[in-house]
Amino acid sequence: DAGVTQSPTHLIKTRGQHVTLRCSPISGHKSVSWYQQVLGQGPQFIFQYYEKEERGRGNFPDRFSARQFPNYSSELNVNALLLGDSALYLCASSLQSGHNQPQHFGDGTRLSIL
Amino acid sequence: SQKIEQNSEALNIQEGKTATLTCNYTNYSPAYLQWYRQDPGRGPVFLLLIRENEKEKRKERLKVTFDTTLKQSLFHITASQPADSATYLCAPLSSGGSYIPTFGRGTSLIVHP
Repeated sequence: DAGVTQSPTHLIKTRGQHVTLRCSPISGHKSVSWYQQVLGQGPQFIFQYYEKEERGRGNFPDRFSARQFPNYSSELNVNALLLGDSALYLCASSLQSGHNQPQHFGDGTRLSIL
Repeated sequence: SQKIEQNSEALNIQEGKTATLTCNYTNYSPAYLQWYRQDPGRGPVFLLLIRENEKEKRKERLKVTFDTTLKQSLFHITASQPADSATYLCAPLSSGGSYIPTFGRGTSLIVHP
């Protein structure tokens, strides 16, 4: 079975632009979460979606938004990009939301802001 | 605010020895704690979960302990191998409804042949 897939794998943008990152969860998984990981740090939670509804939001500005589609895939959108948005963006899926569900991660999108 | 501390310095050990990684947390009481492995350029991979009422959990060569009094989890790899070299992340799960994991910065483990 395919794991979590993310696209694109790498992306270069300039300040002020916007970006859309995409994620396809493992088949059967209904929950998708997004994380930002800067070099030398652990993943920082951005959003969690379950059954197309937002279930959690981390401490990120309103420039960050996301949505989940009927097929459970998800998009993360970031507007007005800043240099500090340069990071690895990870998507993780799980069977359900909450409790002790292990997160199954994709290999991320490496976003560089020039 | 919630804080998770993992050794920032890399842990270097010889093949065959037991590696012990530490995760300390402050200012909250997680109901669960997960451990993940992350290789360079890859996403984290789930290894083990331990509940607050479990003192110890084992999986093959891996062992995790969870001391809610000390607010600490220890992660052990016995009979370590060079293939175990990676960054290991601990992730206590807050119980504020959605049990979203909060990750530490991870500890790099290097196993020398």
